[in-house]
Amino acid sequence: AQSVTQLDSQVPVFEEAPVELRCNYSSSVSVYLFWYVQYPNQGLQLLLKYLSGSTLVESINGFEAEFNKSQTSFHLRKPSVHISDTAEYFCAVSTWNTDKLIFGTGTRLQVFP
Amino acid sequence: EAQVTQNPRYLITVTGKKLTVTCSQNMNHEYMSWYRQDPGLGLRQIYYSMNVEVTDKGDVPEGYKVSRKEKRNFPLILESPSPNQTSLYFCASSAVGGNYGYTFGSGTRLTVV
Repeated sequence: AQSVTQLDSQVPVFEEAPVELRCNYSSSVSVYLFWYVQYPNQGLQLLLKYLSGSTLVESINGFEAEFNKSQTSFHLRKPSVHISDTAEYFCAVSTWNTDKLIFGTGTRLQVFP
Repeated sequence: EAQVTQNPRYLITVTGKKLTVTCSQNMNHEYMSWYRQDPGLGLRQIYYSMNVEVTDKGDVPEGYKVSRKEKRNFPLILESPSPNQTSLYFCASSAVGGNYGYTFGSGTRLTVV
């Protein structure tokens, strides 16, 4: 069975500072990894995903995540955050033999001016 | 526009009064799923469906029912709601394969008093 751990429930940061949201997973088979973002009072939107190939994946709004198989991690980073990045971020995992997405408990990113 | 539509967005009901939350997708996705989101617990899967007339329990199915009579629709039924079912509910759909990620609806905030 797969599982996802997001160690930080909240991450406060000032605008224009860098940020890292941590995600670790557990699986006995190869995984697909996802980051979703939930803005206040909205549903979840896919931010980026790792399926195979290059271990560094990027989103259109400046976030990136790196798949590290040896450390079973998929941390999300942004070099300079904006107020508009304030949201809850969920890491999720699935595998080739299941369509089920297993989610972490989420990290609330709060960006202060 | 490709989307998953849930209704209603907000619902307040009394204990024991049957209710249905509707979910419809226009992407011809085979896979559909219901999640509930609770603070500190992330998203937990309630039920899922691999295709028409094929449904199965997720991680927290007690107190819920679903049906999949048409490919596009996947309603969530609470036969006798209780206060512990107060939560934020999300419907999601995906093409089959595990690597596509989900498209989420906007959510239904349910309060049972």
